[in-house]
Order: sequence, then C-alpha cells, then structure tokens
Amino acid sequence: SQQGEEDPQALSIQEGENATMNCSYKTSINNLQWYRQNSGRGLVHLILIRSNEREKHSGRLRVTLDTSKKSSSLLITASRAADTASYFCATTLWSYIPTFGRGTSLIVHP
Amino acid sequence: NAGVTQTPKFQVLKTGQSMTLQCAQDMNHNSMYWYRQDPGMGLRLIYYSASEGTTDKGEVPNGYNVSRLNKREFSLRLESAAPSQTSVYFCASSEVDRNQPQHFGDGTRLSIL
Repeated sequence: SQQGEEDPQALSIQEGENATMNCSYKTSINNLQWYRQNSGRGLVHLILIRSNEREKHSGRLRVTLDTSKKSSSLLITASRAADTASYFCATTLWSYIPTFGRGTSLIVHP
Repeated sequence: NAGVTQTPKFQVLKTGQSMTLQCAQDMNHNSMYWYRQDPGMGLRLIYYSASEGTTDKGEVPNGYNVSRLNKREFSLRLESAAPSQTSVYFCASSEVDRNQPQHFGDGTRLSIL
C-alpha cells in the first residue's frame, strides 16, 4: 500500500516556469526521497531529505519537508523540456525499503 | 558503469507459459528488489533479497518466485503467467541502509495474452 500520495497527478507548464509538486504521507518517517522517471526508463534518485531537515537544494531542485503536516514539496525552478517525466516520492521509517507514491506526471512544453 | 541491467526489455507470453526475468547489478549492493508498475498504481514490491541467500515477500508476491543466484544476480520467475501479471517489472538494488537510494534498471515490459 502507498504511504506517499503525490499531488497533482498531472502538471503541464511552459518552459522557464517553475514546477511544484507535493507529497503527503500518513505516518512518521525517517526520510523522504524524490525520484524521477523518464518515459520508458527506470526511476532515478534525485534527492533525500531526513526527518530532522526542513529544506534541501540540488541544482534547480528544492525540496521542503514539513513533518507537522506530514508533507513535502519538490520545486523545479526554470523548467526545461528535458524535465518532462514522472516524479515519485518515497518514504522510509524503520525499514530500509522505501514505500513509493503513485507519482506526478510533469509535461514541460518548449 | 552499467548499474542495474534487466533482460529481456520486452516479452509477450501466452497465458500459462512460464518465464524468468533476469537482473544483474555491478555496484556490489547487498540488497536487491523486484517491483511491478501498473498505470495509476505506482511501484509495488514483489520480492526482495537483503543479502545473498535470503529472499522475502513484498506486497504482491502471489504468482511469482525469486532466486538470489549470487550477490550480483536476482531473478524473478512466473511459473504460469496470467493476464493480471501484464505489467512493467523493475529490478533495483541498494545498500541495506535507510539513507541510501535505490538504483533501478530500465524495466521489462511484459504482456500476457
């Protein structure tokens, strides 16, 4: 069963705009991870944020975590057509095996 | 580096046929996993192996068997394929550490008629 739920399910924006997607989860977590999946490919790890962290950056990616609201957001700044992909959040608690959400499909129009 | 390699990339089976999906990783990871991905369902864990010689059931193990052949290789077998097993299957590997990411292969697209 999914722990994280991404929102929105689908997002369509123009190149250069920012893309924000959210992940809500139900129980306490040890960490939350974001992955990207390009069409026809496997998932690629983007960033991991631990439960005692509030914000992390990696290039054009910014992830925030609000444990009081049990939610996280992934912001992609200045989106490019190459950012078109599905984005998944995944959470871990006691186990080292993450539980994945259903994903947000992002389309960036050139 | 190759990372995680899955074979075959595509396969069409008839109901009742059997087949084995192969997975190999070259990152010296202890843990390996098999997932299935269906539209709107995200990733669901079928089986995993925390180390060579051990395997454990995940969320949806029915109809599947696995073998951890050695540290590098983890195979998934469908003994009698059913249309409900039409899916994209992903193999992944990682360290046995909550703060280490999983590394995925590019999947096997399996259709069962």
